[in-house]
Amino acid sequence: NAGVTQTPKFRVLKTGQSMTLLCAQDMNHEYMYWYRQDPGMGLRLIHYSVGEGTTAKGEVPDGYNVSRLKKQNFLLGLESAAPSQTSVYFCASRGGESSYNEQFFGPGTRLTVL
Amino acid sequence: AQSVTQLDSQVPVFEEAPVELRCNYSSSVSVYLFWYVQYPNQGLQLLLKYLSGSTLVKGINGFEAEFNKSQTSFHLRKPSVHISDTAEYFCAVILSGGSYIPTFGRGTSLIVHP
Repeated sequence: NAGVTQTPKFRVLKTGQSMTLLCAQDMNHEYMYWYRQDPGMGLRLIHYSVGEGTTAKGEVPDGYNVSRLKKQNFLLGLESAAPSQTSVYFCASRGGESSYNEQFFGPGTRLTVL
Repeated sequence: AQSVTQLDSQVPVFEEAPVELRCNYSSSVSVYLFWYVQYPNQGLQLLLKYLSGSTLVKGINGFEAEFNKSQTSFHLRKPSVHISDTAEYFCAVILSGGSYIPTFGRGTSLIVHP
């Protein structure tokens, strides 16, 4: 039982390049989330999904797109990377319909945009 | 809408001393409360959560938190910290009536000195 995994762990991009971050969970969770973490800013929600085939915008969605084609995977895309997107990205999942269930987080992806 | 305030961005403490990390929230409806810990270069993991019942909640690694409804607080405590407790701590709330999105505080960095 791997929990939540993220690929890749590190990436360096040049401005304007694109990339996709992959999040996978093996807990059969319905809800999945993408956050970015920046110093002094805590966690900010980028996009989330409440089930396969669904996505919704979070607090800071601009410059990102997501897809949830399979229940276990949640992809985060950067179409044209900018230095402001340099951050650590975390994926999380949560199971069940009850809001008292906690989130399970992946180990993070450290992205640098030059 | 709910909000979470972690009053201290950084808390330095000596090993074996007690510590309290403060968390206050605001919400017009009842909420569930969580504390997560993030060790360096890792994702977040659940320390403890309050759903209902006893206001004193015990978590992993000797941590406990007390829910105070009148003061809308959920402070985290440990009677004697170790070097290994050095980490970022996040308080989070979610509406108990059913919500997809937890609200996180900005985090408190606990620094334990030898």
